[in-house]
Amino acid sequence: NAGVTQTPKFQVLKTGQSMTLQCAQDMNHEYMSWYRQDPGMGLRLIHYSVGAGITDQGEVPNGYNVSRSTTEDFPLRLLSAAPSQTSVYFCASRPNQGAKNIQYFGAGTRLSVL
Amino acid sequence: GESVGLHLPTLSVQEGDNSIINCAYSNSASDYFIWYKQESGKGPQFIIDIRSNMDKRQGQRVTVLLNKTVKHLSLQIAATQPGDSAVYFCAENVRGYSTLTFGKGTMLLVSP
Repeated sequence: NAGVTQTPKFQVLKTGQSMTLQCAQDMNHEYMSWYRQDPGMGLRLIHYSVGAGITDQGEVPNGYNVSRSTTEDFPLRLLSAAPSQTSVYFCASRPNQGAKNIQYFGAGTRLSVL
Repeated sequence: GESVGLHLPTLSVQEGDNSIINCAYSNSASDYFIWYKQESGKGPQFIIDIRSNMDKRQGQRVTVLLNKTVKHLSLQIAATQPGDSAVYFCAENVRGYSTLTFGKGTMLLVSP
C-alpha cells in the first residue's frame, strides 16, 4: 500500500516555465488537497477536491490550476512559474466520511523558481 | 533537510521529560481540532484529534486538552523520546466545511 505518492521530489524551474506536480493515492479516498509550506507560515491550502470532477479553491489558489479526472490522481499545474512559488508542496488525501480528520500526506515536492 | 524550523517557536526538552505544546485558535465554530507531527523531510502525520464537545482525549503517550473558554488547545507528550523531535501543527475543521486550517507549528527538540 503506497499511500500518497508525489512526483517529482525536487524541481528547479526558471521564471515563466510551466510544470505539473503529480499526486496519486491508492486508498480510494474521495477528498484530495494541495498545500504549500513556507518557513514560519505553516501549511496553506491551495486547491482541494471532494471527488472526481469536482475541485475548489483554497486559501492561496492564484497561479495554480488543478483537475480531478480520476479518484486516484490530483495534479497541480503551474502555468507560468514565479519566484514567489518557491516552496514545499504537499498533497494529501482522506475519505469524505468516517475518519475525516486523518489526512494522509505525501512526502512533498521541493520547488525552486529562479 | 527541511527549512520549516526557521522562525518557529521551539520547545527544547530532555529525554524522559513531559512536553506540552500549545495552540490558540480563534474560530468558535470549529468542530474538530487535530494535531499533526512533521519530521524533517517528510509530510505531516496525524497524531490525535478531539471534538469540540470534549475537554480531553488520550492516546498512546499523548493527551490533547481543549479549553473552549480561552480557545486554547494543548498536546501533552509523556516521557518524551528523541524520536518525538519534529514540528507539531494544530489544525481545526470548521463545522460545515471540508477543509482544515493549520497553525504555524512548534518545533520540539528532544535531547538525549
